[in-house]
Parts: sequence; structure tokens; C-alpha cells
Amino acid sequence: AIQMTQSPSSLSASVGDRVTITCRASQGIRSDLGWYQQRPGEAPKLIIYAASSLHNEVPSRFSGSGSGTDFTLTISGLRPEDFATYYCLQDYIYPRTFGQGTKVEIK
Amino acid sequence: DVQLVESGGGLVQPGGSLRLSCAASGFTFRSYWMTWVRQAPGKGLEWVANIKKDGSEQNYADSVKGRFTLSRDNAKNTLYLQMDTLRAEDTAVYYCARDRTYSDGSGRYYDVFDIWGQGTLVTVSS
Repeated sequence: AIQMTQSPSSLSASVGDRVTITCRASQGIRSDLGWYQQRPGEAPKLIIYAASSLHNEVPSRFSGSGSGTDFTLTISGLRPEDFATYYCLQDYIYPRTFGQGTKVEIK
Repeated sequence: DVQLVESGGGLVQPGGSLRLSCAASGFTFRSYWMTWVRQAPGKGLEWVANIKKDGSEQNYADSVKGRFTLSRDNAKNTLYLQMDTLRAEDTAVYYCARDRTYSDGSGRYYDVFDIWGQGTLVTVSS
């Protein structure tokens, strides 16, 4: 199975900050990667697919990039509702695999 | 409204069985693959399995292969996860999700989980 490794595991940031989360695949996965946001007590939500495509109604402060093995999720201008845990997910092959998550906390 | 509602979770002893259901509404259920994802308490997300639109193909995580069976009833707009030989490590919130395919227009396709249920908790303990 492809292993997805996120870094950092957690970070502290302030409202308005620019935040970058990375995800590395154990083998090349083209651009077959999505990012999901999960707020406490809620189900996950899709925010980016195909490494860089914004899902419907997701604010433009979210952006994604990368291909092959290295990917990034950037939040430009952190808002209070963005404090959550973010997961990457590869949809290149089965079994699908998630990263371990990155918790974005308020500084 | 597009909605997925899971049910069937609860407390079960190790070695026991449980069947989860996921009722879909607000979209054409038979037109989509469907997926289960689970989350152990305080842990990350783990993909469990998915099933093709007509139920003819399923894929499973190694951790559940041979113990879990995914099926669907398109007439009832319902997805099922039969869980047998349950272990303590199967304890988790189980989410069903719509498994949608996007095209980038150049022949490349991407699978996403775009609609999620609220989850149902399965606890495996004696």
C-alpha cells in the first residue's frame, strides 16, 4: 500500500497567517491527491482534488500544488473556521490511503 | 438536500458481527460508487472499502479484507457494511461517503469523497 506522510503533525498559527502543510507519497501518484478538512465533532469535508482543484464553494484562500510524490496545501490568511485537522488522500491506486493528519491550532 | 445517514452502530463483543446501513437521499444513488471510511477514537481517517454503482465490484483495505462485506440495494437507496469477526481495533466511527469521479477534460479522472454522513460509532469490547 502507498504510504502518505504529512508534516507537520500539528502547528499553531494566528488568524491571518499563511499556513503550509505537506504530504509525501511513498511512490509516485501523479496528481491523484485530495485534501480534506475535519473540524472537531464533524465529518470530513473535501476541499481540494486532483492536487490543485478547489472543490465547490471552498474559499480561494485554500490552494494546493504538487505532483508525483510531493504535495502542499496552503491556507493564505487563516480564518477562525479554518482551525481543524487536514488530511491528504491518494486516489491513485487501491487501497486508498490517508495521511495521518495535520492539526491546525490557534496560537 | 443531498444527505447520507448511517445507522446500525453499537457495542459488540470481540468475534461478533454487526451490519451498518447508510441511507442516501437527494441524489441518484445508483449513479455513484460509495465508500466507507472509519476513524478510531482520537485517531486519523482510514479508508475501509468501496463499491461500484451496480454492486458488481468492491475494494477493501487489507485490515478488513475477508471479514467485512460491502453491498448495496439501489432500489432502497441504501448501502450496507456487514462486519464479521470484529476485533477491538475495529472500534471507530464509521462514515459512509459518496465516491464521485471528476474529469479534468483531458482523459484523467479523480475520485473524491464529496458527500459524507455524520457517522455511526462501533465499539468492540467485552
